[in-house]
Amino acid sequence: DTAVSQTPKYLVTQMGNDKSIKCEQNLGHDTMYWYKQDSKKFLKIMFSYNNKELIINETVPNRFSPKSPDKAHLNLHINSLELGDSAVYFCASSQSFGRAREQYFGPGTRLTVT
Amino acid sequence: AQTVTQSQPEMSVQEAETVTLSCTYDTSENNYYLFWYKQPPSRQMILVIRQEAYKQQNATENRFSVNFQKAAKSFSLKISDSQLGDTAMYFCAFMMGNGANSKLTFGKGITLSVRP
Repeated sequence: DTAVSQTPKYLVTQMGNDKSIKCEQNLGHDTMYWYKQDSKKFLKIMFSYNNKELIINETVPNRFSPKSPDKAHLNLHINSLELGDSAVYFCASSQSFGRAREQYFGPGTRLTVT
Repeated sequence: AQTVTQSQPEMSVQEAETVTLSCTYDTSENNYYLFWYKQPPSRQMILVIRQEAYKQQNATENRFSVNFQKAAKSFSLKISDSQLGDTAMYFCAFMMGNGANSKLTFGKGITLSVRP
């Protein structure tokens, strides 16, 4: 059973388009995240949501808008795509309390903007 | 702000040998977690091992163990009996222990190649 799933896994689109990436977790976690992995493989946090509330928003252009309809879902919408948005986007989830705080990652979405 | 440093960009090890991957971090906090994640060519991020800062005992998961030196802010990963499937990029990561505001701060990663 998939714990954290993302769709699509690959996304190729042209500059200026708007696209969305969906993420779902079935681990019962209360916190979800979006990370971006650039071409040099560096991973950086973009957003986190706890119980549908935005907690972390790390200097991300406002063309990126996360939406969390419920605790199990966190989607990422990107407007007016630019070449520099090409990257792998990872969704992750974790529990914000208790000892088991590790984050579990989805398979990633490779976004290519042409 | 917390920082994580992995100074070795790549390493190579012979199958069945032992290899140690280095990681240092900087924080003024006392309550935090440290992790090692593995990213094989499939690009899936896989949790290898975690360490809670308040625990003095080093974490161990089968062939994987850590050497956690809190005062030195060092968190190295030892892989024993290396296997071909261990070939991957390994990321060291830091996380504060304060509930919902808990992002992972990653190092730049190290590419490990296991030679047959």
